[in-house]
Amino acid sequence: NAGVIQTPRHKVTGKGQEATLWCEPISGHSAVFWYRQTIVQGLEFLTYFRNQAPIDDSGMPKERFSAQMPNQSHSTLKIQSTQPQDSAVYLCASSLALGDQDTQYFGPGTRLLVL
Amino acid sequence: GEKVEQHESTLSVREGDSAVINCTYTDTASSYFPWYKQEAGKSLHFVIDIRSNVDRKQSQRLIVLLDKKAKRFSLHITATQPEDSAIYFCAASYTEGADRLTFGKGTQLIIQP
Repeated sequence: NAGVIQTPRHKVTGKGQEATLWCEPISGHSAVFWYRQTIVQGLEFLTYFRNQAPIDDSGMPKERFSAQMPNQSHSTLKIQSTQPQDSAVYLCASSLALGDQDTQYFGPGTRLLVL
Repeated sequence: GEKVEQHESTLSVREGDSAVINCTYTDTASSYFPWYKQEAGKSLHFVIDIRSNVDRKQSQRLIVLLDKKAKRFSLHITATQPEDSAIYFCAASYTEGADRLTFGKGTQLIIQP
């Protein structure tokens, strides 16, 4: 089992450009979560899907951030018109979400730097 | 919404001693409390969790205690080893796993030789 896969591992964008981050959950996991980590804010929830349906996007900055899960094997997080304050490590996690088989397993993260 | 406070930002213990990291939460509806370990430059690695139907759980050298009345939970690492050095995050969620996690700020655990 390869674990949660995130690509790219590092991304540098210029202010105002678009960034798309990809996540491949562990095979068979039905829940996919996005978080971001910064030194100042710590670990913040962004959004999550269960069985590909969006369940909670309350952590997403509404104007420029969007997430999709077009199929059970991948999810994307898109940031339009990136700003320096978007610089962070974006973490994807997946879970079986079945009874007590509910541990969230994290991917290696995508380190986004907006210049 | 839920808030999780992690009381120790840094904890230094001698190798072989026990380490205790304490967290409190605000929402009585929280029922699932996992702990994660993050080594330098790496992602979060799950270490242990506890659910609200029990007050103690042990996995090898790790013990988690939950006090629902005080809305407090703690991670005890016994017989610490150098490889235990890392940042430890506590978290809480409303339902077991299939819900957003609210994290504490992390505790840097340093194991001194």
